[in-house]
Amino acid sequence: EPEVTQTPSHQVTQMGQEVILRCVPISNHLYFYWYRQILGQKVEFLVSFYNNEISEKSEIFDDQFSVERPDGSNFTLKIRSTKLEDSAMYFCASSDAGTGDSYEQYFGPGTRLTVT
Amino acid sequence: AQSVAQPEDQVNVAEGNPLTVKCTYSVSGNPYLFWYVQYPNRGLQFLLKYITGDNLVKGSYGFEAEFNKSQTSFHLKKPSALVSDSALYFCAVSDYGQNFVFGPGTRLSVLP
Repeated sequence: EPEVTQTPSHQVTQMGQEVILRCVPISNHLYFYWYRQILGQKVEFLVSFYNNEISEKSEIFDDQFSVERPDGSNFTLKIRSTKLEDSAMYFCASSDAGTGDSYEQYFGPGTRLTVT
Repeated sequence: AQSVAQPEDQVNVAEGNPLTVKCTYSVSGNPYLFWYVQYPNRGLQFLLKYITGDNLVKGSYGFEAEFNKSQTSFHLKKPSALVSDSALYFCAVSDYGQNFVFGPGTRLSVLP
């Protein structure tokens, strides 16, 4: 069964450094998402991406964040200058929303980001 | 804007007993409702969804959920709980299947 993959599984970085989290969505999906989950807390929406542009973003997704689909398979989240409070599990998801009656989002296993 | 409430942080149930994990939602249009499960140190795994049609939807691992429009609820149920069902359960609502809003999660503990 196709699945969303994410790399790395765990990233440790120093405050102020840039990090890039990588995701490979399911190949025929058109919509891509990033969420984060601070340890023990709820899953928070960051951004959605469709047709090579951001379709919606939350207030969390400020100028320090950016997303890109550099080729036909990868979907990346970049944090330019990490802060301690960026430490969280970051989940990528994809869906083929709007085609058929699917709509569910398929989540990757997550990347645990630790900012020291 | 849509929102989701899961009124119970924790649900404890004995193995073999029925379980219910509650979810209520608020959305301006027709709700697209989902349940996801998260096992320790794992990602979110899709369980079931309601888009349209029958109010009772069946999903993975014997779970089902009932959409109740008048009560704006979408409670997750299982007739007979297993210890392996112990996990964190998230209800989510979206508008037209795009941007999901997740509830805060309910931790289910099934006791042997």
